[in-house]
Amino acid sequence: AQSVAQPEDQVNVAEGNPLTVKCTYSVSGNPYLFWYVQYPNRGLQFLLKYITGDNLVKGSYGFEAEFNKSQTSFHLKKPSALVSDSALYFCAVRDMDSNYQLIWGAGTKLIIKP
Amino acid sequence: GAGVSQSPSNKVTEKGKDVELRCDPISGHTALYWYRQSLGQGLEFLIYFQGNSAPDKSGLPSDRFSAERTGGSVSTLTIQRTQQEDSAVYLCASSLAPRGGADTQYFGPGTRLTVL
Repeated sequence: AQSVAQPEDQVNVAEGNPLTVKCTYSVSGNPYLFWYVQYPNRGLQFLLKYITGDNLVKGSYGFEAEFNKSQTSFHLKKPSALVSDSALYFCAVRDMDSNYQLIWGAGTKLIIKP
Repeated sequence: GAGVSQSPSNKVTEKGKDVELRCDPISGHTALYWYRQSLGQGLEFLIYFQGNSAPDKSGLPSDRFSAERTGGSVSTLTIQRTQQEDSAVYLCASSLAPRGGADTQYFGPGTRLTVL
């Protein structure tokens, strides 16, 4: 069965330190992978996606993610965290049985402490 | 240009009443999605519209839920005889076209529904 896992409910990072939010997936075929961020009382904002090509994808607000096919992972990273990065982060993967649906992870709450 | 807009931003209603939630997608986007997000939870797919095709209603949780999209643009999600378990944030998203799942979905700010 297809799935997306975000193994950490919450990640705590000190401001200025690098951050990683983990995502692993299980789909057949070539995955299309997405990261979204949700600030409190807001809708989801698109950060970045991997469709094909370079495994390292750069996105908004200084975030990047690396597609690792052998580990079936697509971890979100940022070299230096800001307090304003505190939010809920969602990973999603294309549903291979659909032309349009995404399979969503449960979300990871990222807390950046000053 | 303008993003996806939703109205109202907040809706408080009494159990048993009907509610209508509105979504105005990005101009030119042919695909429109409705999701439900319960408190602190992930996204639950509800319904999908693409152009003039029949909508995918497979995610609607009960026959109390319905949605329509008029003129390929604005969409309305209607919940009849609301129940307390319907309380959630209802998110709308739109995308240019379903290019095999590669298209980016752009989300509105959501409508927070509270059923008393």
